[in-house]
Amino acid sequence: ETGVTQSPTHLIKTRGQQVTLRCSSQSGHNTVSWYQQALGQGPQFIFQYYREEENGRGNFPPRFSGLQFPNYSSELNVNALELDDSALYLCASSLGGTLAYEQYFGPGTRLTVT
Amino acid sequence: DAKTTQPPSMDCAEGRAANLPCNHSTISGNEYVYWYRQIHSQGPQYIIHGLKNNETNEMASLIITEDRKSSTLILPHATLRDTAVYYCIVTAGNMLTFGGGTRLMVKP
Repeated sequence: ETGVTQSPTHLIKTRGQQVTLRCSSQSGHNTVSWYQQALGQGPQFIFQYYREEENGRGNFPPRFSGLQFPNYSSELNVNALELDDSALYLCASSLGGTLAYEQYFGPGTRLTVT
Repeated sequence: DAKTTQPPSMDCAEGRAANLPCNHSTISGNEYVYWYRQIHSQGPQYIIHGLKNNETNEMASLIITEDRKSSTLILPHATLRDTAVYYCIVTAGNMLTFGGGTRLMVKP
């Protein structure tokens, strides 16, 4: 059983650019959630995908979008990057869509926007 | 989801029990209490969760008061590797709302 993996580990982008972050869920999990963690803060929920459909969204603008693939891996896309988008982006996989199962987090992608 | 209140920081001596409190006075009947922790520069790690009854696993014990308005996470024999930020989260679903957490420092 493999854990949750994310790529890349780090990246640096310029304001106005677009970025795609990737997440491979834990084997057998059908739900992926994405979180943004600014320095010194707790993670903030961005959105969740369950069986390839968006299943819930936090207070983030439409320039944050995502996909989930048939193998349940996922992408987070951010358009028109802003300096405040600099953060650690975490994905977490779990079972059961909106049901209260435990989530397993990846190590995160550290995004720096200059 | 109900809001939680945790002390911002706590210290614990290595080998002693660490008792981390959490208040969730507005918890609803269908909401679970979850605990996660985040060691520096890593993703959060699930610890334990419960609805009404006390729970124990290989990592910790969770004590929930009878009125469910507060809970305590117990690490029975804290080690230096338990130094982390501990988050108490109350949710009926699968979308976690993290607060500020408690920064636990385990000291030799």
